[in-house]
Amino acid sequence: EAQVTQNPRYLITVTGKKLTVTCSQNMNHEYMSWYRQDPGLGLRQIYYSMNVEVTDKGDVPEGYKVSRKEKRNFPLILESPSPNQTSLYFCASSLRTGVFGEAFFGQGTRLTVV
Amino acid sequence: AQSVTQLGSHVSVSEGALVLLRCNYSSSVPPYLFWYVQYPNQGLQLLLKYTSAATLVKGINGFEAEFKKSETSFHLTKPSAHMSDAAEYFCAVSDDTGGFKTIFGAGTRLFVKA
Repeated sequence: EAQVTQNPRYLITVTGKKLTVTCSQNMNHEYMSWYRQDPGLGLRQIYYSMNVEVTDKGDVPEGYKVSRKEKRNFPLILESPSPNQTSLYFCASSLRTGVFGEAFFGQGTRLTVV
Repeated sequence: AQSVTQLGSHVSVSEGALVLLRCNYSSSVPPYLFWYVQYPNQGLQLLLKYTSAATLVKGINGFEAEFKKSETSFHLTKPSAHMSDAAEYFCAVSDDTGGFKTIFGAGTRLFVKA
């Protein structure tokens, strides 16, 4: 089954404690992206990757890091989480952009930073 | 720069009534437009997409959307609402200028009354 898998689904952590949210896709997609979803703001792009070892900032990259060492995996790293990073996070992948820009989303990771 | 505006953060309709969710976009190049649906505690899934082949696009679950270039709109409609349509709906725009810069609207939550 074609899917994007995120882990964990729920996470509560304390300020400053480094964490990683994993994302894996089994569709051999080149493009992967991380979004955060906050009430009234829709989805805002954090980082995206166009291929292995190619990543770029989205609209809200501050406080986040990513890596793309393998095509299927695109982990999101919070080196020193703060309460304003409490949010619902989604990983997505697509074959390409534009006409092939249909995104497949993971189930989401609800992060709470206290 | 691209942008998407969804008019109305909440829309309420009666079961069997017409559903109309509004989306206006801004793009300096020919856009690709998408509607996604998000059910509670789930990721987003594609309802339909416009890729310039036809201005009236039919999607899943009886939804359709019409691309109107003169109005820069891509409104989502369904002739008869079902209780199962209650969800949050997101309009998104992408293009072929490179990167994975899909921009999402803020979302419209649809309520369906019995």
